[in-house]
Amino acid sequence: GEDVEQSLFLSVREGDSSVINCTYTDSSSTYLYWYKQEPGAGLQLLTYIFSNMDMKQDQRLTVLLNKKDKHLSLRIADTQTGDSAIYFCAESYGSSNTGKLIFGQGTTLQVKP
Amino acid sequence: ETGVTQSPTHLIKTRGQQVTLRCSSQSGHNTVSWYQQALGQGPQFIFQYYREEENGRGNFPPRFSGLQFPNYSSELNVNALELDDSALYLCASSLAKSTDTQYFGPGTRLTVL
Repeated sequence: GEDVEQSLFLSVREGDSSVINCTYTDSSSTYLYWYKQEPGAGLQLLTYIFSNMDMKQDQRLTVLLNKKDKHLSLRIADTQTGDSAIYFCAESYGSSNTGKLIFGQGTTLQVKP
Repeated sequence: ETGVTQSPTHLIKTRGQQVTLRCSSQSGHNTVSWYQQALGQGPQFIFQYYREEENGRGNFPPRFSGLQFPNYSSELNVNALELDDSALYLCASSLAKSTDTQYFGPGTRLTVL
């Protein structure tokens, strides 16, 4: 089936690390993505990881993939107030030749000064 | 900036009316996908177009239809609007149709009264 699950809310203090978790169902997903959405805006691609990788680091962002458990996480180091937003993980679903993305419900990250 | 634009930004319609939403993809991107994002939810895949042909569809009724044009623009048409169609509609362009990264526009906020 098609299902991506995320916790709904995370609150951290400025300067701390944030870890947002996601589980997905399709073991054939080729890519897994993290998108950021600020209020009233579209989706901004943050980073993605290919399914044959365990980890990807991009400046303050670290993505960890546990393919056995179908678990994806996004770590934001030195979280800033500007990181406050909704974060979506998404998997590219299915073996058909369609780039259908299945999104989680989103995790609202609140960064307190 | 993703280079993907959408118009209009906001739209208010009444039940039973028809609406056309527009998207302009990044130059060179011959694939466009449309998503519906209800309030508090993650985006849901409506359909995808590749080289002006529909290339996959989500669980949306036929009153949701689309067009893609050779100049990298596309349309989402919704007939017989219902109250539940109120949502943010996002288009995303990509270079290839299957696993290529999708870049999202800012969205059109549709309100159906």
